[in-house]
Amino acid sequence: QSALTQPASVSGSPGQSITISCTGTSSDVGSYNLVSWYQQHPGKAPKLMIYEVSKRPSGVSNRFSGSKSGNTASLTISGLQAEDEADYYCCSYAGSSRVFGGGTKLTVL
Amino acid sequence: EVQLVESGGGLVQPGGSLRLSCAASGFTFSSYSMNWVRQAPGKGLEWVSYISSSSSTIYYADSVKGRFTISRDNAKNSLYLQMNSLRAEDTAVYYCARDLPGYSSSSDYWGQGTLVTVSS
Repeated sequence: QSALTQPASVSGSPGQSITISCTGTSSDVGSYNLVSWYQQHPGKAPKLMIYEVSKRPSGVSNRFSGSKSGNTASLTISGLQAEDEADYYCCSYAGSSRVFGGGTKLTVL
Repeated sequence: EVQLVESGGGLVQPGGSLRLSCAASGFTFSSYSMNWVRQAPGKGLEWVSYISSSSSTIYYADSVKGRFTISRDNAKNSLYLQMNSLRAEDTAVYYCARDLPGYSSSSDYWGQGTLVTVSS
C-alpha cells in the first residue's frame, strides 16, 4: 500500500490550464479504472472532483477533467480561477484497499 | 441534505483506546458503503477502513490492521471506528466518508472530521 506519486506543487496563472499527474503501479492505477480526485481547501474536508478516472459529480465545473494512461492518471484544470487554489489528491482502488497520492498544492499566481 | 458528523476524538495516551462515531443524516444510510480516512497534521490523506452497506465486506489499511475495528449500526444511522493500541503516528483528523453507489471506490460526502491526538 505505497502512496501514489504526485508532484508536490504546481502553479499557473488565471485562465491557463494545468495538469497534475498521479503515478501508481500495475496493482492500483494500472489495473482499475477507479481513480478519483479530491480538492481540499485549508481547514476543510476533501471534495470529490473526479471519479472513475474521468467522470464528474453533479455540480463540479467542466473545467475539471481526468484521464489515465497505463499506471499514470492525470487531472487537468482549464481556465484556472483563484478559487481553484487548493490541495489536490488522487486516489485509486487497489484490490482490497485504497491508496491516496501524497497531494499536490496548486497555486494560482 | 446529506450530513456526516464525527465525534469521539480527543487526547489519549500511547497504548490507549478511543471509539469514534459518525452520525449520518439526509440519506438512506443502510444503502451506502462507508469509509474512514485520516489526515495527520500538515500531511496528506490516508485511507483507513471500508465497510459495505450490510457490513458483509470490511477492509483495513495495513497500518491499522489488527488494532482498529470498523462497524456500523444501520438502525441508528451510525458508523464507528474502535481504535486500540494507539500510537503517536495515529494522531490525525479522522473523517468519515460516504461512497458513491456501486463500485466507484470514491467518496462523495465527507464529514468535517474529529481530531485524535495520541500523546503522553
